[in-house]
Amino acid sequence: GQQLNQSPQSMFIQEGEDVSMNCTSSSIFNTWLWYKQDPGEGPVLLIALYKAGELTSNGRLTAQFGITRKDSFLNISASIPSDVGIYFCAGQPRINAGNMLTFGGGTRLMVKP
Amino acid sequence: DGGITQSPKYLFRKEGQNVTLSCEQNLNHDAMYWYRQDPGQGLRLIYYSQIVNDFQKGDIAEGYSVSREKKESFPLTVTSAQKNPTAFYLCASSGTSGNEQFFGPGTRLTVL
Repeated sequence: GQQLNQSPQSMFIQEGEDVSMNCTSSSIFNTWLWYKQDPGEGPVLLIALYKAGELTSNGRLTAQFGITRKDSFLNISASIPSDVGIYFCAGQPRINAGNMLTFGGGTRLMVKP
Repeated sequence: DGGITQSPKYLFRKEGQNVTLSCEQNLNHDAMYWYRQDPGQGLRLIYYSQIVNDFQKGDIAEGYSVSREKKESFPLTVTSAQKNPTAFYLCASSGTSGNEQFFGPGTRLTVL
């Protein structure tokens, strides 16, 4: 099946620092989604991207749909303790695939107090 | 409030017993999904349903069964045939207008 490579797998950052993570695929994707999962909870949708080159912000979060349609990145500016959690990318590899999504392995974000 | 509910939050069962996890949504979504998440891992698709009375196997369907008798409900049964059932189970739904899936709070199943 389709594979999404998400990196880094985990990261420690200092409060106030900016964070960047990305997802790459060997195949073209039509949709990129970014989710955040708190411990013991379900993932919450942060940002949805539908067009190549699209740059979308949600508060301190910014995500971009790569021009090649094979990658996406998520930036978090001025991190705070509540940013702790696991961030997942997800993509839909082709049109009308029954809304099936392929998920990355997640980036675990830990903030130093 | 619109959303997806899963119950119970925590479930304990003895090995060899079947157990059914509940998933209900009031978002009027046609499609519903079940995922399994193991510690430190991503999400793996168990089953999905795009319409009432129809469902398809995902990547790891062995040892699981589902039904979709109502649009709002998509229960998952973990059978005794599932060799390693202890995991966090997530239900999701999506509408026809987009690819965005919305998740429930999850059920943590522990088989003793």
